[in-house]
Amino acid sequence: GEDVEQSLFLSVREGDSSVINCTYTDSSSTYLYWYKQEPGAGLQLLTYIFSNMDMKQDQRLTVLLNKKDKHLSLRIADTQTGDSAIYFCAVSNQAGTALIFGKGTTLSVSS
Amino acid sequence: GAGVSQSPSNKVTEKGKDVELRCDPISGHTALYWYRQRLGQGLEFLIYFQGNSAPDKSGLPSDRFSAERTGESVSTLTIQRTQQEDSAVYLCASSLGQVSVGETQYFGPGTRLLVL
Repeated sequence: GEDVEQSLFLSVREGDSSVINCTYTDSSSTYLYWYKQEPGAGLQLLTYIFSNMDMKQDQRLTVLLNKKDKHLSLRIADTQTGDSAIYFCAVSNQAGTALIFGKGTTLSVSS
Repeated sequence: GAGVSQSPSNKVTEKGKDVELRCDPISGHTALYWYRQRLGQGLEFLIYFQGNSAPDKSGLPSDRFSAERTGESVSTLTIQRTQQEDSAVYLCASSLGQVSVGETQYFGPGTRLLVL
């Protein structure tokens, strides 16, 4: 079945760029997603990219997609302490009925 | 309400008891999903409802788990004879349509289940 892998932890200093990486096994997903989960809060859609795109930029966020290597990354420019959260990569399952999530990357931002 | 709501927010039960978790999706959303998030893990798909179509139950881990949805409204997830490994946060999400066409899933705050 579909598998999504992420590194578990990332620690950066305030003002630096953060890059969170994700790899997946099944390339049939039309859209690929990044979700953010803050402590005590629900899961929130951060951004997504259409599978025929290589890059999508949204303010401080840049999503890069390498379909050949099945690699997705999320870059956060000028990382702030408020960006500290768990970031989940997700792709749709083969049936297109639900999302398959990675285990999440905990981003810790120090001032 | 404006978002997906779930109840209860927390549930503590004894091993062997049945529990029922409720989800109220966003009005007008035809698709509804249940996921499970164990401590330190990603979300695990459980079941998907789309309008009046037969649900996709492929993610249910055992026959102790079942879910129902009345039309395009409330859904309940029932876990019978709970086990300690059922302890997790159960998340509900809804969307206007299928994720395969890029519809955004909106998540509820979850129900934190602890089985003693």
